Amino acid sequence: GIQVEQSPPDLILQEGANSTLRCNFSDSVNNLQWFHQNPWGQLINLFYIPSGTKQNGRLSATTVATERYSLLYISSSQTTDSGVYFCASRTTSGTYKYIFGTGTRLKVLA
Amino acid sequence: EPEVTQTPSHQVTQMGQEVILRCVPISNHLYFYWYRQILGQKVEFLVSFYNNEISEKSEIFDDQFSVERPDGSNFTLKIRSTKLEDSAMYFCASGGASGNTIYFGEGSWLTVV
Repeated sequence: GIQVEQSPPDLILQEGANSTLRCNFSDSVNNLQWFHQNPWGQLINLFYIPSGTKQNGRLSATTVATERYSLLYISSSQTTDSGVYFCASRTTSGTYKYIFGTGTRLKVLA
Repeated sequence: EPEVTQTPSHQVTQMGQEVILRCVPISNHLYFYWYRQILGQKVEFLVSFYNNEISEKSEIFDDQFSVERPDGSNFTLKIRSTKLEDSAMYFCASGGASGNTIYFGEGSWLTVV
């Protein structure tokens, strides 16, 4: 099945810094989502982005499906951005399940 | 904004007991899922459900697990005889007609003692 790898596994930032999180997937995908898991364990939808670029406030995401990767950009990070960021992708093979990546654990220091 | 709701938020159960986790998906959604996350690990797919039947399941979803949509609004996950290693956060998710974007509930934290 599809493998979804994320990097870096851990990231520590000072408040106000920018960062880029990467998601690589091993197979062709027709859907990709980014989630933020907050300290209470909730999975918050950030982006549905099978291709192209989207922006929402300080966050933006880009997926280059032909090269099998997606990037999540966080600008001017805040302590509330702390948590684990997951990408999840769905292959083109007719399945409707999403496979989650390994996650990036982000800690933003005040 | 519509949301997926799950109950209970936390349950402690004795090993060997049956557990039922409940979910109310978003009302016009057609695709339903259960995922689990063992503490500190990644989110793992368990099962997907469409058109009143299981459409796909992982190797984790063995005979001790079952799912049901008993009344057109609830979607349940039953674990017949819990083991210690079933301790995890269980997430329900649902997706619309195209099955594209899926939305997760807040999770049910199961502790087996």
